[in-house]
Amino acid sequence: NAGVTQTPKFQVLKTGQSMTLQCAQDMNHEYMSWYRQDPGMGLRLIHYSVGAGITDQGEVPNGYNVSRSTTEDFPLRLLSAAPSQTSVYFCASSYSDLGAGGTEAFFGQGTRLTVV
Amino acid sequence: AQSVAQPEDQVNVAEGNPLTVKCTYSVSGNPYLFWYVQYPNRGLQFLLKYITGDNLVKGSYGFEAEFNKSQTSFHLKKPSALVSDSALYFCAVRDGSGGSYIPTFGRGTSLIVHP
Repeated sequence: NAGVTQTPKFQVLKTGQSMTLQCAQDMNHEYMSWYRQDPGMGLRLIHYSVGAGITDQGEVPNGYNVSRSTTEDFPLRLLSAAPSQTSVYFCASSYSDLGAGGTEAFFGQGTRLTVV
Repeated sequence: AQSVAQPEDQVNVAEGNPLTVKCTYSVSGNPYLFWYVQYPNRGLQFLLKYITGDNLVKGSYGFEAEFNKSQTSFHLKKPSALVSDSALYFCAVRDGSGGSYIPTFGRGTSLIVHP
């Protein structure tokens, strides 16, 4: 049971390049989400999904796309990288809490992205 | 709408002394409240949560938190701090009345425990 796995751990991009951050979980969690962490800003929600085929925008979605074709995977795509997207990105997953009361999230180890 | 505030960017405490990390929240419905800890270059780890029931919640590593509905607070506490408790702590809230699926996190509080 690997939990939440993010790849790559580190990435340097040039302005204008595109890339995909990978996130996979093996816990059969319905909910998955992407956050970015910036100094003094805490964690800000980019996009989230409540199940395969269902995604929605969070607080800071501009410049990012997501899709959820399977329960396990939730990739985050940067369409045209900008220096403002330099950040640490975290993927998280949790069970839905229908009938279970609020469930805690499991986080990946993060991807440190630098856009030059 | 849901929001959470951690009023202190940093908390300093001597080893062996009690510690408190503050959190206040705002939700429309019933609050689901969480505390997470982040060690350097790592992801967040779950510490404890309040969903319903007793206002005092006990979690991992000797931490506990007290839910106070009238003050809309959920402060994290530990009776005796350890140097190894030094880390970044995040409070999170979600509206448990069906208004949201994903929690909102605070900005984080850096806890520094001095030997």
